[in-house]
Amino acid sequence: AQKVTQAQTEISVVEKEDVTLDCVYETRDTTYYLFWYKQPPSGELVFLIRRNSFDEQNEISGRYSWNFQKSTSSFNFTITASQVVDSAVYFCALRSIIQGAQKLVFGQGTRLTINP
Amino acid sequence: SQTIHQWPATLVQPVGSPLSLECTVEGTSNPNLYWYRQAAGRGLQLLFYSVGIGQISSEVPQNLSASRPQDRQFILSSKKLLLSDSGFYLCAWSGLHNEQFFGPGTRLTVL
Repeated sequence: AQKVTQAQTEISVVEKEDVTLDCVYETRDTTYYLFWYKQPPSGELVFLIRRNSFDEQNEISGRYSWNFQKSTSSFNFTITASQVVDSAVYFCALRSIIQGAQKLVFGQGTRLTINP
Repeated sequence: SQTIHQWPATLVQPVGSPLSLECTVEGTSNPNLYWYRQAAGRGLQLLFYSVGIGQISSEVPQNLSASRPQDRQFILSSKKLLLSDSGFYLCAWSGLHNEQFFGPGTRLTVL
């Protein structure tokens, strides 16, 4: 079965601290895709990154970085030098194909609060 | 570029009233379309998905239905709303590289 676990329900840090959001997934697929989304207070989900299973290179985008480890089935997300604007709920997701349709299996989300 | 629209942005409806939420996508053809619901403080629940006009798959039995009358239009409906239908409804389409792009959402409160 496809499953995504975000064990951290809520994280609160002070601005400028680094913070890592954990994501562990389960899948039987040999090829799969993982995603991170940000949901700010406005509610809209914002796509952050896609990673496919055959590319284990870590990625950095400004203050954001992602660590993909197939050996531990993890796809963790680190924010460096956090800012108040990073406060949001972050979702990790796994793509599955069920009955010919692409679906995303989401984790329960991690609510990140950055305090000034 | 592709954009996705949802309306209305917020809605307050009495129990037992009908519902119609609309989602339209611009800038792409034959997208896969999705309706999700997010209860307060909870994760995302997939309600319906569609791979083409008139093709609707339901994920969970519920009080809601969906239709896709045109290629880039996806409608979520109910004949009689329940209190438990309250939530944040998100429409999404899936892109070429498997990611899904979400609309701004509709916040529904059933009283």
